[in-house]
Amino acid sequence: GESVGLHLPTLSVQEGDNSIINCAYSNSASDYFIWYKQESGKGPQFIIDIRSNMDKRQGQRVTVLLNKTVKHLSLQIAATQPGDSAVYFCAEINAGGTSYGKLTFGQGTILTVHP
Amino acid sequence: KAGVTQTPRYLIKTRGQQVTLSCSPISGHRSVSWYQQTPGQGLQFLFEYFSETQRNKGNFPGRFSGRQFSNSRSEMNVSTLELGDSALYLCASSLVRPEDEQFFGPGTRLTVL
Repeated sequence: GESVGLHLPTLSVQEGDNSIINCAYSNSASDYFIWYKQESGKGPQFIIDIRSNMDKRQGQRVTVLLNKTVKHLSLQIAATQPGDSAVYFCAEINAGGTSYGKLTFGQGTILTVHP
Repeated sequence: KAGVTQTPRYLIKTRGQQVTLSCSPISGHRSVSWYQQTPGQGLQFLFEYFSETQRNKGNFPGRFSGRQFSNSRSEMNVSTLELGDSALYLCASSLVRPEDEQFFGPGTRLTVL
């Protein structure tokens, strides 16, 4: 069945460092991947997405890398700030199928940024 | 533009009872999805509605149901509550397509005693 999993459940970094959060997925039919950030007491918030026909996409301080050969996704956060502390989820969807609204989420990584 | 709103934010019920949760999507969004979030299972897809029709459903028992109204507002219902139904229930809205960005509400925290 479909599954999206994370290698590391927690990540602690110093303010100003770069952070890398990893995600493995198993559904080769997935063609759209998203990273979400969830702060305590809030719902997930969209960070960045990438389509399966891309290898890399950059946003403001964030970069997502997609390696379809090994079914691996990563989120890089540059100059990590205390406000980046949250749980980060990767999610995937098969936009070409009948997966309307069905995001499949990974387990999540807790990112803690120390001042 | 107002975000996705969910009511109530917190709810305490006892086993065997039923509960109805409400979600108001972002104005103009016609797709509403529901997710269950628990520490053990993470975020799991419940169902998705578009134009008052359920387009997709996750692997949950029939005790979990939902509906969507003509104004795109949605409700989900859980009947015969079990302890394991304690969770954060999240609603997300998007425009139309599966890959359209989903905007999440703050969730309803349901505790079943």
